[in-house]
Amino acid sequence: DTGVSQNPRHKITKRGQNVTFRCDPISEHNRLYWYRQTLGQGPEFLTYFQNEAQLEKSRLLSDRFSAERPKGSFSTLEIQRTEQGDSAMYLCASSSRTVSTDTQYFGPGTRLTVL
Amino acid sequence: AQSVTQLGSHVSVSEGALVLLRCNYSSSVPPYLFWYVQYPNQGLQLLLKYTSAATLVKGINGFEAEFKKSETSFHLTKPSAHMSDAAEYFCAVSPPPVFGPGTRLSVLP
Repeated sequence: DTGVSQNPRHKITKRGQNVTFRCDPISEHNRLYWYRQTLGQGPEFLTYFQNEAQLEKSRLLSDRFSAERPKGSFSTLEIQRTEQGDSAMYLCASSSRTVSTDTQYFGPGTRLTVL
Repeated sequence: AQSVTQLGSHVSVSEGALVLLRCNYSSSVPPYLFWYVQYPNQGLQLLLKYTSAATLVKGINGFEAEFKKSETSFHLTKPSAHMSDAAEYFCAVSPPPVFGPGTRLSVLP
């Protein structure tokens, strides 16, 4: 069990550029979540996958955001035409859904700075 | 929609004193409840979780939390604070996953 990994750990980009983040979940976990966290706030849910199916998307996820999990393993989160308001920590978490619990294990996050 | 409130964005205690971090939730169905801790520049780490078994839940590092349905609360406690407990603490409810705004715990020598 190597834990959830995210790459890159930091990303600095100019406004209007596209960025893509990657998340590798714990290998046996079938659920994968994306969150956004800004300074002084708790994580805000963006979307989640069960295997390769994207089951829920928050209204926070504008049309500029897209997430994929093509083979039910790693996932990517792409932000197109970045804006300064997109600057945040993007967190990924994974879980193994059982009948009684849905404990999520978090990665270290990708910090995005949009200049 | 579910929501989570954490009373006090910043709590300070002396080393060795009781730690009490408050969490209240709103949910139309019995939820799963969690406490996570986030140390500076690190990811969130699960402290403990409530999943409709025992109402008093014990977690790591000496923390525990009690689920009180009548009060819709899930407060986090630790009998004796240690300097290493200084961190940000988040209460969360699921499903769907909703996190509170967090409480920053400072431990004074």
